[in-house]
Amino acid sequence: GNSVTQMEGPVTLSEEAFLTINCTYTATGYPSLFWYVQYPGEGLQLLLKATKADDKGSNKGFEATYRKETTSFHLEKGSVQVSDSAVYFCALSEEDNFNKFYFGSGTKLNVKP
Amino acid sequence: EAGVAQSPRYKIIEKRQSVAFWCNPISGHATLYWYQQILGQGPKLLIQFQNNGVVDDSQLPKDRFSAERLKGVDSTLKIQPAKLEDSAVYLCASSLDNRAYSPLHFGNGTRLTVT
Repeated sequence: GNSVTQMEGPVTLSEEAFLTINCTYTATGYPSLFWYVQYPGEGLQLLLKATKADDKGSNKGFEATYRKETTSFHLEKGSVQVSDSAVYFCALSEEDNFNKFYFGSGTKLNVKP
Repeated sequence: EAGVAQSPRYKIIEKRQSVAFWCNPISGHATLYWYQQILGQGPKLLIQFQNNGVVDDSQLPKDRFSAERLKGVDSTLKIQPAKLEDSAVYLCASSLDNRAYSPLHFGNGTRLTVT
């Protein structure tokens, strides 16, 4: 079956530190991969996506590369800000499955000034 | 463009009572999803509609949960009777279509507390 595994949080960093949040997936087909971010009291917002192997998604300084050989989609940012504090969700969807999304359990990021 | 609208924002009910949530997706979005998000967990799909037809409701507790999407636009999710374990945030999302690279757009959710 399909599933997404994320590193457990919380992750606590100082401002301007380098961020990596690991995400690996299992899929029966050829999925699209996504990172969503959730700020307190809000719904999930799309952060970035990649639809095929070796694609790099990027947005707001965040990047993730679709690695088919390692079934991974790790999220990175070179210099985090306090405003990046949120919960980050990795997700996959498959066209053959009517765009059903599978979400990881989320990783909470705390950035300290 | 206007986002996904949900109401109410918060709801507190006693167990065995009933409750309904409403969702209006982004205009033109054919696919609509209801997710349950328990504190500290990722969203869990309850039901997925394509226009006004059900695509997937395999994880919907059908003895107590029901959902409809009349006319293929807005949707309601109902719980009757509620249990304590139904306390969660109920998220509605929509996507333009059901292709795999079509991202989900989420509303802000309804936080349900069952006492």
